[in-house]
Amino acid sequence: AQTVTQSQPEMSVQEAETVTLSCTYDTSESDYYLFWYKQPPSRQMILVIRQEAYKQQNATENRFSVNFQKAAKSFSLKISDSQLGDAAMYFCAYRTTDSWGKLQFGAGTQVVVTP
Amino acid sequence: NAGVTQTPKFQVLKTGQSMTLQCAQDMNHEYMSWYRQDPGMGLRLIHYSVGAGITDQGEVPNGYNVSRSTTEDFPLRLLSAAPSQTSVYFCASREGTARGKLFFGSGTQLSVL
Repeated sequence: AQTVTQSQPEMSVQEAETVTLSCTYDTSESDYYLFWYKQPPSRQMILVIRQEAYKQQNATENRFSVNFQKAAKSFSLKISDSQLGDAAMYFCAYRTTDSWGKLQFGAGTQVVVTP
Repeated sequence: NAGVTQTPKFQVLKTGQSMTLQCAQDMNHEYMSWYRQDPGMGLRLIHYSVGAGITDQGEVPNGYNVSRSTTEDFPLRLLSAAPSQTSVYFCASREGTARGKLFFGSGTQLSVL
């Protein structure tokens, strides 16, 4: 069984600063996908970034980047130049690479952005 | 582009009542799923389907039924609602490929009194 752990219930960051969210996971698979989703107060689930385990290069999407450490089973998200619109719940998620792989989520980290 | 449409957005039930949460997608996706979201627990998979006529249980299936008579629709039924089923429910769908992106509906806030 796979598990996804987010140990930070809440993180606070000032505008324009950087915040890093932690995620660890447990799996016996060698290839898989990892994701970060953002859920603003609107409740909408928004895909922020995706990482394929066989790619050693860390994924980036504008101000969002990940630090993927496969051996340590760690997948942290860095938000640079934080903006008020980044305030949301962030979920780390894992999925196997088979066609019907099910997405498994962590408990989430609430990001608070202060002016 | 409708994507994944969930109805209703909000619902209040009394213990023991039954209801169906509706989910429809217009992207011809083979894979559809239902999640529930509870504080401190993230999203947990209730049931999923890999095509019309094929359904299977997820992590927390008890108290819920599903069916998939068409590719487009995947309703979630609560036969006898309990307060423990108070939650936010999300339907999601994707292509049946390894790289398929998951598309989420807007969620249903359900309260069982």
